[in-house]
Amino acid sequence: QVQLQESGPGLVKPSETLSLTCTFSGGSIKNYYWTWIRQSAGKGLEWIGRISRGGIHYNPSLKSRATLSLDTSNRFSLTLNSVTAADTAVYFCAREVVLGSSVAFDPWGQGTLVTVSS
Amino acid sequence: DIQMTQSPSSLSASVGDRVTITCRASQSINNYLNWYQQKPGKVPNVLIYGATNLQSGVPSRFSGSGSGTDFTLTISGLQPEDFATYFCQQSYGIPFNFGQGTKVEIK
Repeated sequence: QVQLQESGPGLVKPSETLSLTCTFSGGSIKNYYWTWIRQSAGKGLEWIGRISRGGIHYNPSLKSRATLSLDTSNRFSLTLNSVTAADTAVYFCAREVVLGSSVAFDPWGQGTLVTVSS
Repeated sequence: DIQMTQSPSSLSASVGDRVTITCRASQSINNYLNWYQQKPGKVPNVLIYGATNLQSGVPSRFSGSGSGTDFTLTISGLQPEDFATYFCQQSYGIPFNFGQGTKVEIK
């Protein structure tokens, strides 16, 4: 079964760049979208974006600050620049699946807390 | 963007109670609606997909209904392991927004 694990710094200074990596095992990068979602007390669950070999889509709310990339056959990354305290959240990576005809997220990584603070 | 509004934001209930959570979309999303359960310190897990379909392995006391803009998650006979936060999520269009969550607490 597919397992995902996020990694990256837990503390980022305001105005700097947040970089996270998701490594997965037990599956192929092909034929799926791979997704980043964050969760904060203030904004709940927020879909950041998705990437596949066929395309990339971002949440417009991030105002072009986010960049997704497929790094290797089992790793993908998120970069978020010009961070502020509002970007403090638990960041999850997840695989996008189609259940019936509805897009859902399963499985998820365990999540990694990123705090933006000087 | 399609906004998802859940109600209530929290509720208190007893074991055995029937619990209903609603989710409203800011525009019609047909049946492109999923429900997740999240327990403290854990990741969200899919309960219902396509508004009414029970995900494999999910107990039959969970059910979903609705289409268009108004949706409902019902737990028929609340169990101790059901105390958690529940989220709806639309998959009609990008961004795939979530509701703000409903926390189900023990009365």
